[in-house]
Amino acid sequence: DTGVSQDPRHKITKRGQNVTFRCDPISEHNRLYWYRQTLGQGPEFLTYFQNEAQLEKSRLLSDRFSAERPKGSFSTLEIQRTEQGDSAMYLCASTTTTSGEGEQYFGPGTRLTVT
Amino acid sequence: QQPVQSPQAVILREGEDAVINCSSSKALYSVHWYRQKHGEAPVFLMILLKGGEQKGHEKISASFNEKKQQSSLYLTASQLSYSGTYFCGTPGGPYSGGGADGLTFGKGTHLIIQP
Repeated sequence: DTGVSQDPRHKITKRGQNVTFRCDPISEHNRLYWYRQTLGQGPEFLTYFQNEAQLEKSRLLSDRFSAERPKGSFSTLEIQRTEQGDSAMYLCASTTTTSGEGEQYFGPGTRLTVT
Repeated sequence: QQPVQSPQAVILREGEDAVINCSSSKALYSVHWYRQKHGEAPVFLMILLKGGEQKGHEKISASFNEKKQQSSLYLTASQLSYSGTYFCGTPGGPYSGGGADGLTFGKGTHLIIQP
């Protein structure tokens, strides 16, 4: 069990560019979550998947954001036409619904800076 | 509705005790507690699932009062390693019907332990 991994760890992009982040959950974890965290705030929920199905998406999530988990394993989060307000740490977490109590294990995050 | 945490910050000397509170204006099904150190991902501490439930984790324990819609995290005989920001998270935000969904986190409580 190597934990949740995210790639890249840092991304600097210019306003208007598209970016894509990847998350590899703990193997056998069927639920995968995306959160966004800005300085001094708690993680803010964006969306989550159970296997390949996207079950919930925050109403706060702009249409510029899209996420996929095509084979029920890794997931990608794409932001189109990035804005300076998108600068944040993007966290991925995973859990399993077949054991435990729903504890979520977080990856190290991808820090996005939009210039 | 974002849970409200108090206090916002606590400064302790090593060996002292602390209590961190988390309250919600909506019905709570469970409360999740995480600790985050600067520049790192949140780390799971414990989940409280039932009203009146208490749990312990090393010298960190928590209670959950479902009727009062609040939870408290107790840190006894604090150690330097306890420093960080503590977040409570509740499943089922305004966009969800509850259950083991994405978490809505409070703004966090900053805990500083001095030697």
